[in-house]
Amino acid sequence: DSGVTQTPKHLITATGQRVTLRCSPRSGDLSVYWYQQSLDQGLQFLIQYYNGEERAKGNILERFSAQQFPDLHSELNLSSLELGDSALYFCASSVAQGLDVTDTQYFGPGTRLTVL
Amino acid sequence: ILNVEQSPQSLHVQEGDSTNFTCSFPSSNFYALHWYRWETAKSPEALFVMTLNGDEKKKGRISATLNTKEGYSYLYIKGSQPEDSATYLCALPYMDSNYQLIWGAGTKLIIKP
Repeated sequence: DSGVTQTPKHLITATGQRVTLRCSPRSGDLSVYWYQQSLDQGLQFLIQYYNGEERAKGNILERFSAQQFPDLHSELNLSSLELGDSALYFCASSVAQGLDVTDTQYFGPGTRLTVL
Repeated sequence: ILNVEQSPQSLHVQEGDSTNFTCSFPSSNFYALHWYRWETAKSPEALFVMTLNGDEKKKGRISATLNTKEGYSYLYIKGSQPEDSATYLCALPYMDSNYQLIWGAGTKLIIKP
């Protein structure tokens, strides 16, 4: 158990809908990262927050947004969902701001999103 | 952006045999290399962080080496056990206007009893 929690575990929804994925980092970690893992693809970095502020952006679609709250939990909002958004979404957390190249990321169990 | 390649894509190994696989990366602008293990139905878990050329890390039967001059890292598993079955990922920090980890596609290791 990494100490990172994600809810829900599974989510099934329809195209065009909007969903929110939630992540609580390990105690003491200030950075939260969101990743997408689609079938037959590697982990794709979406976005990072550090202590409530956006720190880095990866291949995140404009239909997706995220935020980190004062209690450090984070939410990833996915809107106007398409079939291709079906994937496993991971949240990870770490201590550092993101410029520490040895910073280890601790992953949550993931949310499996299925768009029908 | 950084090209991180892992080979082979998958590997079937007899229980008790030793094995190794590779993570390749551009040797310029190297900062660090992370190895993770990802078991089925679980989440990726950190194994090692390597920073220096010639670095060698060990955790039980698993070890890793790093050659930054030629741009590769090897992960070795000695005397494979069924619990070693997992996908092994490597990731490298990449910095431009952003900082992020760039992940390889992984090597899926299956241990046959």
